[in-house]
This record gives sequence, structure tokens and C-alpha cells, in this order.
Amino acid sequence: GQQLNQSPQSMFIQEGEDVSMNCTSSSIFNTWLWYKQDPGEGPVLLIALYKAGELTSNGRLTAQFGITRKDSFLNISASIPSDVGIYFCAAPKTGTASKLTFGTGTRLQVTL
Amino acid sequence: NAGVTQTPKFRVLKTGQSMTLLCAQDMNHEYMYWYRQDPGMGLRLIHYSVGEGTTAKGEVPDGYNVSRLKKQNFLLGLESAAPSQTSVYFCAISGFSGPSYEQYFGPGTRLTVT
Repeated sequence: GQQLNQSPQSMFIQEGEDVSMNCTSSSIFNTWLWYKQDPGEGPVLLIALYKAGELTSNGRLTAQFGITRKDSFLNISASIPSDVGIYFCAAPKTGTASKLTFGTGTRLQVTL
Repeated sequence: NAGVTQTPKFRVLKTGQSMTLLCAQDMNHEYMYWYRQDPGMGLRLIHYSVGEGTTAKGEVPDGYNVSRLKKQNFLLGLESAAPSQTSVYFCAISGFSGPSYEQYFGPGTRLTVT
């Protein structure tokens, strides 16, 4: 159905490394969103994607809207300690004006 | 958190007690949402509103009620709290100029029901 599967569930990386994570579904979407949640805070919108194949950057973050429209990817270059948090993908629920389905998140932890 | 405030930040309730969570926005967005977040389950939509005076059910509405009497406020009520409602509750807004998928979240309310 509209379940969004995020991979990996968690990851430890060294400071300075590049990070890749993805979000997949069996459903087709017209929009993909990526959020980051810091510990004890609400999710913050990082990047919104509206076109298949689109590649969008926000500082060290780059997200891609998969060409099949069933997946999206988020890359973080040269990770730093403040990248720690949970990254969620989200996509619109079918037939709704503004409701989202969220993935279960990728927990990123950075070691110095 | 994009002009979204939530009150209170923390609350402990006993089973059967009632409470109201307040979400307030100063961004003039049309759409407002209430989510709950539980470990390993991501964010699940409880109720939402597409405008002043309107509300609708999300995917997990049972045990909750909502009201949107003013455009800037969205209230979430628990009439008789249960331990299963222990969670972190987030309010979100969207739609400054028409329907939008870009939602902006408040800081959350951590609720414990004993």
C-alpha cells in the first residue's frame, strides 16, 4: 500500500564521511519530502521534491526524486556532529489535498 | 518551528483524566494537523483541519477530539486518558496559499498516562 520503507534504520558514521539513505514504496508518488528531527524537537522540513528525476540541494544535503516515482534518496556530504538526528521521508496520501504518510525514519549518529 | 507553538510541553495524567493540548500558529496557514509519534512507528495522523470551523479524522482518531474555532488555534482533547495514549504529540501547519504538502511542525508535547 502506501507504506514508506526507509533504509537503513540506523547508522553510525565518522565525522567527515558522506551519508546515503533511501525511502521506497510500492506506490507511485508525485511529491517526496525529507524531514530531520533533532532529539526532543519537532521535525524540520529539509527538502521538497515535485518532479521525477529531480535533484535538489540544501547546503550539504542533496535529495533525488526517483525516476520510477516509487523512491527517493537523501545524501549528506562531509557529515558533522550536528547532523545527528532522525531523518524521515514523507509522501502524500492518495486522494488527499494535504495529508502525508511518513516513513519510520533513519537514525543517524556521528562519531568524532 | 515556523511560528507553531504547543502548550503544554510536558504533562503527566492518570488514567481516566482529561486534558486539552493547544496548538497556536502565527503564520496564517489554512491547514492544521495533530500527529502522535511513538518509538519505531514514525508519525501518525490523529485529526486535521482544512480551515476554521472544520475538522476531519486521520488514521488514529479514536480516543481524541479536536476543535478549530479560530483559524490560528487547533485544540486536541483527550476525554478519558489511557496508558496507550502515552506518546509525543506534534502539531503541524501547511497551506499558506492553497493546499500544500509542505508541513511545518511545532516543538511537541510529551504526554505520559499512568
